[in-house]
Amino acid sequence: SFVLTQPPSVSVAPGKTARITCGGHNIGSKGVHWYQQKPGQAPLLVIYFDSDRPSGIPERFSGSNSGNTATLTISRVEVEDEAAYYCQLWDSPSDHRVFGGGTKLTVL
Amino acid sequence: EVQVVQSGAEVKKPGESLKISCKGSGYNFTDYWIAWLRQMPGKGLEWMGIIYPGDSESRYNPSFQGQVTISADRSITTAYLQWGSLKASDTAMYFCARHDSGGFYFDSWGQGTLVTVSS
Repeated sequence: SFVLTQPPSVSVAPGKTARITCGGHNIGSKGVHWYQQKPGQAPLLVIYFDSDRPSGIPERFSGSNSGNTATLTISRVEVEDEAAYYCQLWDSPSDHRVFGGGTKLTVL
Repeated sequence: EVQVVQSGAEVKKPGESLKISCKGSGYNFTDYWIAWLRQMPGKGLEWMGIIYPGDSESRYNPSFQGQVTISADRSITTAYLQWGSLKASDTAMYFCARHDSGGFYFDSWGQGTLVTVSS
């Protein structure tokens, strides 16, 4: 099954830009989706199909996907953005939904 | 408004059976796949399987095939996840989530059901 690799943790100061990566073989050919999960809460979709934002998600959240890496970018980071972030895709050959291991974003 | 609401926390003993539920509302329940996902304590998200309430077709992650059963009752717009014989290692938070119309991502999530299995 397809494997997605995320860094376990990323730290950023408030007001700066955070970039969270998701690596996988030729991931640029697939649609990647991103979820935010705060402690004790259900995940929340923040980006779908690489770079689309659901309604209600701030414009500070953006995404890109090319080659072997997809990236979630959070601009002007706020304390409330501190959470775990997961990438996910649909692996068509296996029909499996695959998640990365998650990245804990710490706002210093 | 689309809503997905799960049943409450459960505490069970090893060997017991369990069925937890996930009720969808605010949309046509039979038109969207529903997924079940596991999150073990302090760990990431794992996709367990999906069901299409329109015809009850289900698909499983091989890691969970034979360990759980996913079902749905479209008359009450509810999906289920059940175990025949729980193990301590089944202790986890379980989420259900609605798929987008194409089955690619999860656009609405339940609040989670904590299952604790302990003697």
